[in-house]
Amino acid sequence: DAGVTQSPTHLIKTRGQQVTLRCSPKSGHDTVSWYQQALGQGPQFIFQYYEEEERQRGNFPDRFSGHQFPNYSSELNVNALLLGDSALYLCASSETEGNEQFFGPGTRLTVL
Amino acid sequence: AQSVSQHNHHVILSEAASLELGCNYSYGGTVNLFWYVQYPGQHLQLLLKYFSGDPLVKGIKGFEAEFIKSKFSFNLRKPSVQWSDTAEYFCAVISLEYGKLTFGQGTILTVHP
Repeated sequence: DAGVTQSPTHLIKTRGQQVTLRCSPKSGHDTVSWYQQALGQGPQFIFQYYEEEERQRGNFPDRFSGHQFPNYSSELNVNALLLGDSALYLCASSETEGNEQFFGPGTRLTVL
Repeated sequence: AQSVSQHNHHVILSEAASLELGCNYSYGGTVNLFWYVQYPGQHLQLLLKYFSGDPLVKGIKGFEAEFIKSKFSFNLRKPSVQWSDTAEYFCAVISLEYGKLTFGQGTILTVHP
């Protein structure tokens, strides 16, 4: 049983560009959450998707958007990249909203 | 808004020493509480969780945590640490009202053999 998978592992972009990160949830999970983890800090909640809709959102600008597909996989899109967007982006899946979340290995985004 | 505070940024212990990592949260409603661990080069994984019932919960690898509602605390403990416990530990809280999982800033634990 595969856990949460994310792609790509690493990504290097320049300021102003756009990026798409992908996540496949653990089998049987229908809820996907995205987090940004800056160096030396805990993960910060970006948003959560359930039934293909954004259900909760953290304090992130509209440059951060997402999507969930019918197979429960999800994408995180970031437009107009800033240097401060450099971070580890984590995807987590769960069966329901308040339950234990299983985390993927993350995508390391570097913005130059 | 809810927030989570971890008392120590970096803890250094020798093997067999006892461990207690502090965690406090600010939210007065019903919460679910978690401790996650991130070993070097690995992804976040769950150590233990508290949803309801006995406030003393046991997790993997000999870890336990106690939920004290009156103190808004969920401290992590282990009687005797091992070198393999070297990792970063995160306390996390999710309120059933807001549905957002909020993490503390993390505590790096270094265990010397």
